[in-house]
This record gives sequence, structure tokens and C-alpha cells, in this order.
Amino acid sequence: QKEVEQNSGPLSVPEGAIASLNCTYSDRGSQSFFWYRQYSGKSPELIMFIYSNGDKEDGRFTAQLNKASQYVSLLIRDSQPSDSATYLCAVNEQAGTALIFGKGTTLSVSS
Amino acid sequence: DTGVSQNPRHKITKRGQNVTFRCDPISEHNRLYWYRQTLGQGPEFLTYFQNEAQLEKSRLLSDRFSAERPKGSFSTLEIQRTEQGDSAMYLCASRPAPDTQYFGPGTRLTVL
Repeated sequence: QKEVEQNSGPLSVPEGAIASLNCTYSDRGSQSFFWYRQYSGKSPELIMFIYSNGDKEDGRFTAQLNKASQYVSLLIRDSQPSDSATYLCAVNEQAGTALIFGKGTTLSVSS
Repeated sequence: DTGVSQNPRHKITKRGQNVTFRCDPISEHNRLYWYRQTLGQGPEFLTYFQNEAQLEKSRLLSDRFSAERPKGSFSTLEIQRTEQGDSAMYLCASRPAPDTQYFGPGTRLTVL
């Protein structure tokens, strides 16, 4: 069974710090990797996706992918209280097919 | 706002009743996905459509669940004879680019 694993947290960081969120996946055939942010009671919001090994940066967010280790991470620089949310990692095997999600990591940024 | 709309936003029903949810994706998006999310879990895939064709169904989609997408536009998800275990957020997603999925606001179902 294809699985995506995340630490449930909570991960607590002070405002301005770097938050590091991690995810591992079981299916070596996975092609695409996503990070979603979900505020309590709301639907998931796509923040980044990555396909190739290495780093991808978008503003304060950096996604890192290591296919050999089957590991994806999300770094949030200069963390803000508004970043407090649950971060969901998702993968899929082929473009356009179903996403497989982890359970999410809860991030708390204190001011 | 992703442009994906879902109705109703909240539904409370009694066990054994039938419920139907609707999703309106962005008009030019040919793929539409349904997921279910329970408290403390990530979304779980239910089914997806390419235009009006239902391409894949999860084993989670029991015989009580049915989904349609007539004319390849909006989609409906019906649950017959609801059970308390069906209480969840039902999410619809639309695909604006080859490999991204954007979610609507969801329909929260509570089965009493």
C-alpha cells in the first residue's frame, strides 16, 4: 500500500525562525510532490509542488526533494503567526492521477 | 478563492437518509476529483473524472456512494443510507494545469 508519512507535531517555532517540515513516501514510482496548507475548518491550499531532485524556492518557502531517500521537505523562512496551520504532504504516481496525502504536520508559530 | 465551488457547505442528516453534494469546477478544467477528509487525517481519494468519464474509483467508494459528472461540467456525489462513519469533509478538486489540483471549500457532512 502506498503511504506518505509525516510527523503529526505540533511543531512549535518562534516568529522569525525557520520551520522545517518533513515527509517520506513509500512508492518509488512517485513522480510529483506537493505541499498544501490547511487552516482549521478550511480546505487545503496548494503552496508548492516539485518534480525534480533538489530545491525549489518560492518566496519564503523552499521545497526539497530527494528521490533516492524518498524524502520531501518544506522550509518556511521568517515564520509568521499566520503560518500556523496544518501542512499536508501529497504525492502522485502519474500526472493527473489521485493524490496520496500524509496526515499532516501541525505548525504553531508564536509571536 | 480557487474558483471551485461546492454546495452545500454544511449538511446535517439523520442516519439512513440519502444526501447529495455538488461541485462546480472551473469551466475549462477537464479533470475533477473527489476526496474525503476526517478529523486528524489527510484527504483520502474517492474518485476522479476526465470530462464525463469516471476514470478511477477508490475502494473507499462503497456501493452506497455514487458520483456522476453529466456533460463533463459539474459533478455530484451521492451517499445512500448514510452511516455515522460517513461524517467527514467532502472535498472536490479541479485541475488547472497538468499536475496541480486546487480544492473547493468542501462540504462538511454530519450524520446523527
